[in-house]
Amino acid sequence: DIQMTQSPSSLSASVGDRVTITCRASQRISNSLAWFQQKPGKAPRALIYSASRLQSGVPSKFSGSGSGTHFTLTISSLQPEDFATYYCQQYDTYRISFGGGTRVEIK
Amino acid sequence: EVQLVQSGAEVKKPGATVKISCRLSGDTFIDFYTHWVQQAPGKGLEWMGLVDPEDGETVYTEKFRGRVTMTADTSTDIVYMELSSLRSEDTAMYYCVSLPKRGGALFWGQGTLVTVSS
Repeated sequence: DIQMTQSPSSLSASVGDRVTITCRASQRISNSLAWFQQKPGKAPRALIYSASRLQSGVPSKFSGSGSGTHFTLTISSLQPEDFATYYCQQYDTYRISFGGGTRVEIK
Repeated sequence: EVQLVQSGAEVKKPGATVKISCRLSGDTFIDFYTHWVQQAPGKGLEWMGLVDPEDGETVYTEKFRGRVTMTADTSTDIVYMELSSLRSEDTAMYYCVSLPKRGGALFWGQGTLVTVSS
């Protein structure tokens, strides 16, 4: 199975900060990588698919990059509604797998 | 746009069986693989398996094999996930996730809470 490793596991940031989260795959997954946001008690909200494509309705402050084994999610200017946990997900194989999550907290 | 709507919360006793549904609307049902994901309280996400609605083929992870059954009804565009021999550790949110077979955006259901308690 493909292991997904996210870093950092948590971070503190201020409103307006630029934030970058990294996800590494244990083997090459082409661009079969999604990012999603989850707030406490809520369902995941898909942000990015195919490593860099924005889901419909997602603001352009979110961006994704990478291919192969190394991927990043960037939030260009953090807003209060962005404080949440972010996960990466690979779907290169039938057996999809997830990173452990990055909790973004208010500094 | 694709929407996935799941059935409501369930409370079950240990040893019972639960069956959760996930209805896809907004696109062609058989053009998506539907996966099921478990999220236990305060934990990360764990893949359980998938069903291909086009032919009913399934793939299950070893942890749930033997207790989980995923099926698809093409007349109603609904995917079902049945989990049997429930134990307290199965208390969790269960999400369906649809991934298009030919690439593109993926979609999550709103989740179904299953509580296993005597």
